[in-house]
Amino acid sequence: GAVVSQHPSRVICKSGTSVKIECRSLDFQATTMFWYRQFPKKSLMLMATSNEGSKATYEQGVEKDKFLINHASLTLSTLTVTSAHPEDSSFYICSAGSTSGRALGHEQYFGPGTRLTVT
Amino acid sequence: AQTVTQSQPEMSVQEAETVTLSCTYDTSESDYYLFWYKQPPSRQMILVIRQEAYKQQNATENRFSVNFQKAAKSFSLKISDSQLGDAAMYFCAYRSVDSGNTPLVFGKGTRLSVIA
Repeated sequence: GAVVSQHPSRVICKSGTSVKIECRSLDFQATTMFWYRQFPKKSLMLMATSNEGSKATYEQGVEKDKFLINHASLTLSTLTVTSAHPEDSSFYICSAGSTSGRALGHEQYFGPGTRLTVT
Repeated sequence: AQTVTQSQPEMSVQEAETVTLSCTYDTSESDYYLFWYKQPPSRQMILVIRQEAYKQQNATENRFSVNFQKAAKSFSLKISDSQLGDAAMYFCAYRSVDSGNTPLVFGKGTRLSVIA
């Protein structure tokens, strides 16, 4: 099946710094990517939807200036946590969907996630 | 907006036995997709099974099967011959048919323990 990678898998950063997380679709073109946040023992919370070449659509309550999302190509989306604080510590997961190729329109493929710890 | 409800925060099952995880959803759409995802301790989301709403036949994948009741908006997952590796968090999810641009709507999850 289609593969989605995330990098890094784990990152520790100091409060006030910025962290970039990459999400790549390895063998298909991802017209749409989704970013989720997951707290321990909780469900996935959708943060934003990004379509290639256009601005991301953020969910209510998600600060777009803090969580910058870029989807510049059909295989790469990035999430940058700006001026990170301890409350931003969480598990971030991306998923990718496509309307063509091996990934069918109704299927989404998940990356392995990134554990962010802000000290 | 669509909602997904999983009313069982935790379930347990003896190894080799059968367990059913419940899921209900609310939607005004007539066509959509339903999924069960497994999240083991590694936290990688793994698709277990999918159901297209326009199909009346219940989906089956080896030991995993669903009971899809469209009128009741119910989508339960049955795991037969449970194995230790089935222990994980299970999420029920809904997706509109609009291809490519709609995110999954997740339930809160059910943590499944398998007892040896």
